[in-house]
Amino acid sequence: AQRVTQPEKLLSVFKGAPVELKCNYSYSGSPELFWYVQYSRQRLQLLLRHISRESIKGFTADLNKGETSFHLKKPFAQEEDSAMYYCALSGGSNYKLTFGKGTLLTVNP
Amino acid sequence: NAGVMQNPRHLVRRRGQEARLRCSPMKGHSHVYWYRQLPEEGLKFMVYLQKENIIDESGMPKERFSAEFPKEGPSILRIQQVVRGDSAAYFCASSPGAGSPGYNEQFFGPGTRLTVL
Repeated sequence: AQRVTQPEKLLSVFKGAPVELKCNYSYSGSPELFWYVQYSRQRLQLLLRHISRESIKGFTADLNKGETSFHLKKPFAQEEDSAMYYCALSGGSNYKLTFGKGTLLTVNP
Repeated sequence: NAGVMQNPRHLVRRRGQEARLRCSPMKGHSHVYWYRQLPEEGLKFMVYLQKENIIDESGMPKERFSAEFPKEGPSILRIQQVVRGDSAAYFCASSPGAGSPGYNEQFFGPGTRLTVL
């Protein structure tokens, strides 16, 4: 069975501080990992995926197969980063996404 | 491209009534997915459809729930004889067909919030 765990329901940081949103997964094969973001009153949108290995809006995430983690990081948080962040996994089916419960990030001025 | 459209955005039903949720995929997308989000939970996969075919309905409750994606028109998620436990946000996503660029990236609609009284 595939499972995604986001241990922090809420995360609050100050503007300019580093931020790390944790994500751990459980999957027996080779997963594809994603981070989705939902800004206030907007729809869920893809932030980044591990296979693209790119930085979006200053965020990066590295897949660590040994620790089964895919933590999302940004060195200097901005107020506009305040949003709900969901980690998601796609297994061998390549379509069925399994989501974590989400972390609400608040960046304070 | 208006993106994935869902309607209604909010739906209120009394116990025992039927709920019909509609999803129009992005232009050019032939794959539709439905997810349900209960309060304080993440999105959970329900069903994956292509035009006129149900590919995977492993996440659908065995009774009262059905989904379709006809040749013409939107995808419909139908919940018969709703109960209070059906109250949730229902999200639809779409993706291009296999072989298309970004074929396995899912684009989400704004969701339908169903409240059962």
